[in-house]
Amino acid sequence: KQEVTQIPAALSVPEGENLVLNCSFTDSAIYNLQWFRQDPGKGLTSLLLIQSSQREQTSGRLNASLDKSSGRSTLYIAASQPGDSATYLCAVKRVRAGNQFYFGTGTSLTVIP
Amino acid sequence: EAGVVQSPRYKIIEKKQPVAFWCNPISGHNTLYWYRQNLGQGPELLIRYENEEAVDDSQLPKDRFSAERLKGVDSTLKIQPAELGDSAVYLCASSSLTIQGTEAFFGQGTRLTVV
Repeated sequence: KQEVTQIPAALSVPEGENLVLNCSFTDSAIYNLQWFRQDPGKGLTSLLLIQSSQREQTSGRLNASLDKSSGRSTLYIAASQPGDSATYLCAVKRVRAGNQFYFGTGTSLTVIP
Repeated sequence: EAGVVQSPRYKIIEKKQPVAFWCNPISGHNTLYWYRQNLGQGPELLIRYENEEAVDDSQLPKDRFSAERLKGVDSTLKIQPAELGDSAVYLCASSSLTIQGTEAFFGQGTRLTVV
């Protein structure tokens, strides 16, 4: 079974700070890893998708890296803004489980103005 | 292009009552998922469809939950009867079947409260 862990569970930073969110998974046989953002009471918004053959993906102030062999991914957010406050979830699509996604429990981010 | 559409957004029902959720996936997406998300937790899979076929329903509580995906497009998830522990957010997602590494897109979810 795939275990996905996200550390820290919660993070509070002042506006403008750069930050890193961590995601680890136990089964390295994955198709891809996807980072999502979830605002309170809302669904999941896809931020970045990293294929298993890729090392990183970038979108604006976001950069996600993937080290499949060690079962780790990081989401780097540059120059954080209050609007970045949300819960960030990572999910892996496991080769041995067809098209199923396995989620971590998320990191709740608060950016203080 | 419209994303994944779910309805209703919110539902409050008394325990033992039935409830149904509806999902319209992104056009052309063969794979449809229903996830349940409890407060403070990540989503957990209930059922996955490839076209009309339910290919993974091992975590669906079949004594009270049922789902269908007619014509391989829209899907309905039903709970009958609902229990207090069913209070959660029910999320629908879709992705392309033909490419294993494709992105998943989620709807806004249905927040169910059972009282």
